[in-house]
Amino acid sequence: QVQLVESGGGVVQPGRSLRLSCAASGFTFSRYGMHWVRQAPGKGLEWVAAISYEGSNEDYADSVKGRFTISRDISKNTLYLQMNSLRADDTAVFYCAKDPTDSGDPDYYFDYWGQGTLVTVSS
Amino acid sequence: SYVLTQPPSVSVAPGQTARITCGGNNIGSKSVHWYQQKPGQAPVLVVYDDSDRPSGIPERFSGSNSGNTATLTISRVEAGDEADYYCQVWDSSSDHPVFGTGTKVTVL
Repeated sequence: QVQLVESGGGVVQPGRSLRLSCAASGFTFSRYGMHWVRQAPGKGLEWVAAISYEGSNEDYADSVKGRFTISRDISKNTLYLQMNSLRADDTAVFYCAKDPTDSGDPDYYFDYWGQGTLVTVSS
Repeated sequence: SYVLTQPPSVSVAPGQTARITCGGNNIGSKSVHWYQQKPGQAPVLVVYDDSDRPSGIPERFSGSNSGNTATLTISRVEAGDEADYYCQVWDSSSDHPVFGTGTKVTVL
């Protein structure tokens, strides 16, 4: 069965960096696009970033463009989110999520989600 | 960017039918996806492409989409259906996915 397990969250000061990881199993990781979606405390869902199945294309929400970088390591079946210049309004639970399209352009919806990792940006 | 509007809350008695709307400009021309999120848990896809159900999702969950409104219908509501529900589409103007504001379903 598909499993996505995020890690790397924690408390970080404004302006600092953090890297999130998402370990994938139960499916052929190299054949599916992947996403990060976040949810601020008590708020709704916000898509953050996407990466194509082969890793050549990345896409970002305007709110994080230039500060966050999504990447993937096929050999480790792991998705990453490098977050730089963190701000208080980046405080959220970050979920990794799988795109349903096999070996094609991402469909930009999310058929499996991890349990999330909490990032708190505070001095 | 494209705005998806959902009612903040819907209340329904057990065994009755809950209808959750998702309003957007000409949303009928888009594919709508719905997620269920129970407290403290990750979202779960319950309907995709307007009206298809992933494997393992009960037939009680159904979707429709026309004009300016998409609807998620939960028939024969159970206590375990109490959750937040979000609609989501692809916004062609921003080239990004967009989520609705979310609806809290309360089972009376």
